[in-house]
Amino acid sequence: AQSVTQLDSQVPVFEEAPVELRCNYSSSVSVYLFWYVQYPNQGLQLLLKYLSGSTLVKGINGFEAEFNKSQTSFHLRKPSVHISDTAEYFCAVSDQGTYKYIFGTGTRLKVLA
Amino acid sequence: NAGVTQTPKFQVLKTGQSMTLQCAQDMNHEYMSWYRQDPGMGLRLIHYSVGAGITDQGEVPNGYNVSRSTTEDFPLRLLSAAPSQTSVYFCASSDQGNSGNTIYFGEGSWLTVV
Repeated sequence: AQSVTQLDSQVPVFEEAPVELRCNYSSSVSVYLFWYVQYPNQGLQLLLKYLSGSTLVKGINGFEAEFNKSQTSFHLRKPSVHISDTAEYFCAVSDQGTYKYIFGTGTRLKVLA
Repeated sequence: NAGVTQTPKFQVLKTGQSMTLQCAQDMNHEYMSWYRQDPGMGLRLIHYSVGAGITDQGEVPNGYNVSRSTTEDFPLRLLSAAPSQTSVYFCASSDQGNSGNTIYFGEGSWLTVV
């Protein structure tokens, strides 16, 4: 069965520092991978997605993620964070050819001044 | 472009009451789903539908019913609310072909059961 693991429930980081949010998944078939962001009291917005092709995916707000099939990972990175990046970030996986999505438990990113 | 619209945004229920959370999408998406979000547990899939007339259970279906009579609408029913159903509920839709498997979420419905 599919599963998604986000090992870090909270990540504090100072403004302008780099950040990496980790995501590992398990699946026996080819997958699509996603990162979503949720600002307080709002719904989820798509940051970026991997469907096929280049393993380095660039998204909105300067975020990027790298798909590593051998390590079954899809870590999210940003070279320099801003206060406005404070939010909760969710990794999600979907088996190719299906509609079913499984989400991780989320990582709360707190950017400190 | 409305996208996914959920109503109501906030609701307080007494234990044992019933209610329906409404969800509508105007993107002609085949796939619709309901999630609940609880602290430390991420989003958990309640029910989903791959098209009109077709529904299936997700991870946490107990206490909830759904139906899909049209492509646009996917209401979630709580037949007898329990305090354990206090949560934030998100409706979502997707179309594999046109949106590249992207899920579009509604803005959420905050439900408190007392």
